[in-house]
Amino acid sequence: DAKTTQPPSMDCAEGRAANLPCNHSTISGNEYVYWYRQIHSQGPQYIIHGLKNNETNEMASLIITEDRKSSTLILPHATLRDTAVYYCIVKDDKIIFGKGTRLHILP
Amino acid sequence: KAGVTQTPRYLIKTRGQQVTLSCSPISGHRSVSWYQQTPGQGLQFLFEYFSETQRNKGNFPGRFSGRQFSNSRSEMNVSTLELGDSALYLCASSLAPTTSGQPQGEQYFGPGTRLTVT
Repeated sequence: DAKTTQPPSMDCAEGRAANLPCNHSTISGNEYVYWYRQIHSQGPQYIIHGLKNNETNEMASLIITEDRKSSTLILPHATLRDTAVYYCIVKDDKIIFGKGTRLHILP
Repeated sequence: KAGVTQTPRYLIKTRGQQVTLSCSPISGHRSVSWYQQTPGQGLQFLFEYFSETQRNKGNFPGRFSGRQFSNSRSEMNVSTLELGDSALYLCASSLAPTTSGQPQGEQYFGPGTRLTVT
């Protein structure tokens, strides 16, 4: 089973920052947090991962709380092309996808 | 660099038949994982191959099998197809096995093969 809990859906206005939360209260000390997204009818796309420090790349930022029990994926300036299902994954020996958050970007 | 390719993209089969799906990973990637995606169950891990060896497998019946060739290309086979096998089958490639410890979770997915069983 997935080790994460995410809201089933969220809305965000185009041009605003989209903040997607994820709870992973049972995470172990050496387990990484990964984020993927899946745009309709496509394969999932890797976004970012982290262990304990905040991470940023060209797609997004990942903020992990100090106790590592939750994290937030931030898309700084959401566009309509960011409409997708976003998966937060805590990886142990394999990658288990949960149900994710369906993000709707509103024009 | 070319991405992960999967063939065929669409397939229609009849119950009881078997099917073989193919996946070519990104050049230089030696690990290939397979997933099944259905509306009811979501994305489920099938198995992972690295250096022609199965590294890990999910909870699927023995009708689901796979293999990997020396050039890292992989095939998965489903025998005695059932209606419930209708799904999108996704292949993902990575440099190292995702099941080889931390972090090793960065995978690149292909577009999938949509299998319909009638």
